Amino acid sequence: SAVISQKPSRDICQRGTSLTIQCQVDSQVTMMFWYRQQPGQSLTLIATANQGSEATYESGFVIDKFPISRPNLTFSTLTVSNMSPEDSSIYLCSATSTDTQYFGPGTRLTVL
Amino acid sequence: AQTVTQSQPEMSVQEAETVTLSCTYDTSESNYYLFWYKQPPSRQMILVIRQEAYKQQNATENRFSVNFQKAAKSFSLKISDSQLGDTAMYFCAFHYAGNNRKLIWGLGTSLAVNP
Repeated sequence: SAVISQKPSRDICQRGTSLTIQCQVDSQVTMMFWYRQQPGQSLTLIATANQGSEATYESGFVIDKFPISRPNLTFSTLTVSNMSPEDSSIYLCSATSTDTQYFGPGTRLTVL
Repeated sequence: AQTVTQSQPEMSVQEAETVTLSCTYDTSESNYYLFWYKQPPSRQMILVIRQEAYKQQNATENRFSVNFQKAAKSFSLKISDSQLGDTAMYFCAFHYAGNNRKLIWGLGTSLAVNP
C-alpha cells in the first residue's frame, strides 16, 4: 500500500489568487492522479501527473488553470490558478501501488 | 462506453445486520480490477476491497465480501455485522490492467448504520 499526505488540509482564498496543493507519497510510485470532488458527489479526474513529463489532462481541464508538477516519484503539486468561487471543492491526490489507487486526505478549498 | 452504475443512492441498515450494496459496470475489456472505496464524513477515501477480474474467487476482507459475477458485470459489496463506523459513502470503481490506471467511478451509495 501507499500512505499519502496532502497540504494544506483546507484553505479559504480570495478570487483571482492561486493555491498550490502538495501531495507526498511514502514510497516511489509510477502513477499519481489529481481529482476534484464536490460535496456528496463522485470524483472527477483532473489529470494524471507524469514523472518527468507534462501532465495528461482530462476533458474540461487545462494546464493554464491547473498546472501540475511531478519532479520525482514521490511528490506532486497541483496549482489552482486565478480562482473563482466555482473552484470551491475538495481536491484529492492519489497514487497507484500494486494496481490499486490510494488516496490522500484531501484539501478543502473555499474561494470567496 | 465505460460506466459504473450504483442503483441505490441511499441505504440504511441496523447495527449488527447485513447489507448489500449493488454495482454494475460496462466494459468490453476482459482484464481489469474492481474496487470498493469508503468515504466517511472525514472525506478520507479508504480502500475497502479489490477484485481482479481474472480471479473467479470472490474477495473477502474481514466483514466485507463481494459477489463478483463477471458475465453479468456485477460487483456487489456485502457488509456483515454492520457497525456505526461503517456509515459512509461507498463508491464502486474499476480500471483496466496495463498502463492505463484511470479509475471509472460510480456515483456512490450513502450508507447509514443505525443504532
